[in-house]
Amino acid sequence: AQSVTQLDSHVSVSEGTPVLLRCNYSSSYSPSLFWYVQHPNKGLQLLLKYTSAATLVKGINGFEAEFKKSETSFHLTKPSAHMSDAAEYFCVVSSYQDTGFQKLVFGTGTRLLVSP
Amino acid sequence: NAGVTQTPKFRVLKTGQSMTLLCAQDMNHEYMYWYRQDPGMGLRLIHYSVGEGTTAKGEVPDGYNVSRLKKQNFLLGLESAAPSQTSVYFCASSYSEEFTYSYEQYFGPGTRLTVT
Repeated sequence: AQSVTQLDSHVSVSEGTPVLLRCNYSSSYSPSLFWYVQHPNKGLQLLLKYTSAATLVKGINGFEAEFKKSETSFHLTKPSAHMSDAAEYFCVVSSYQDTGFQKLVFGTGTRLLVSP
Repeated sequence: NAGVTQTPKFRVLKTGQSMTLLCAQDMNHEYMYWYRQDPGMGLRLIHYSVGEGTTAKGEVPDGYNVSRLKKQNFLLGLESAAPSQTSVYFCASSYSEEFTYSYEQYFGPGTRLTVT
């Protein structure tokens, strides 16, 4: 079965410093991977997705992630944090069902705190 | 283009009461989903639908029922609410992308339900 592990439940950074949110995945086939962001009291918004094209994926708001098959990782990075980046981030892997339906499996989330 | 909308935004129920959550999407998506989000557990799939008139169970379906009578609407029902169903409920929708390994789900803003 497919799964994701987000290695940090909370990450704190200062504004202007780099962001690294870590995600490892487990998949029996070449997966699709996503990062979603959830701002307080809001729904989830797609940041970026990996679909077996380029291993370095660029997303919205300056975020990017690199798919590393050898390390089964899909870490999310941003060179310089902004106060508006404070939110919860979810790493997600796709999981095919016997019916052909593709289900999303969510990590438990990483809360990013940004201080001035 | 409103995307995915959910009503109501908040609700408080007493144990044993029933209610229906409504999800609507205006993107002509085939697939629709209901998730619940609990602290430290990410999002878990309750039920989903791959087209009008079809529904299927996700990973946590007990205590919930769903209906998809119209393509644009997906209803989630609680027949006899329990405190364990206190959660934030998210609806999502997506295209069906046959022969691909990726698709994006679009999320509504959520319904915060408290059962006392």
